[in-house]
Amino acid sequence: GENVEQHPSTLSVQEGDSAVIKCTYSDSASNYFPWYKQELGKRPQLIIDIRSNVGEKKDQRIAVTLNKTAKHFSLHITETQPEDSAVYFCAASPMGNDMRFGAGTRLTVKP
Amino acid sequence: GAGVSQSPSNKVTEKGKDVELRCDPISGHTALYWYRQSLGQGLEFLIYFQGNSAPDKSGLPSDRFSAERTGGSVSTLTIQRTQQEDSAVYLCASSLQGGRETQYFGPGTRLLVL
Repeated sequence: GENVEQHPSTLSVQEGDSAVIKCTYSDSASNYFPWYKQELGKRPQLIIDIRSNVGEKKDQRIAVTLNKTAKHFSLHITETQPEDSAVYFCAASPMGNDMRFGAGTRLTVKP
Repeated sequence: GAGVSQSPSNKVTEKGKDVELRCDPISGHTALYWYRQSLGQGLEFLIYFQGNSAPDKSGLPSDRFSAERTGGSVSTLTIQRTQQEDSAVYLCASSLQGGRETQYFGPGTRLLVL
């Protein structure tokens, strides 16, 4: 089955700096890659997703890149703000429509 | 409209007891997922329901875990003979048609097994 690995497990940046979180997946049939943000004590919420027919997608300060050949995708947050502090999960959807999540990255943005 | 709801929000039980966790997905969503999140850990896939198809049970950790989805809507996750390692937050999510779409998560049920 699909195996998603996520790095780093924790990331601390200064406000205004950029943050990058990387994920790799194992199933070459996966073609949908969402990113979820989970604030402390709250439920995960989708922040951005990308499908395999594009290599990059951007939404304001957030962007995701996908390299299908290497089977990895990354989340980029620019101009980080304290409210970006949360746990971020990547995920991949293989054949069969289920979803496998990475272990999460705890991002701390220091003011 | 109403989001995904789960009940109870918190459950404390004794080791060896059975528990039932309930999930009400968003109306009209055909796909429903259960995940387990241990303290400070990631989202562990448990089971996936899609319409009337047989569920994908590949994530269930043992035969003490089972789930049903009645009438294509409400789902119940049952844990029999609970163990302390079952303590976690159990999250339910639903999506309109399947895995390649946004999943909307419920608030979770925090289970503590003493």
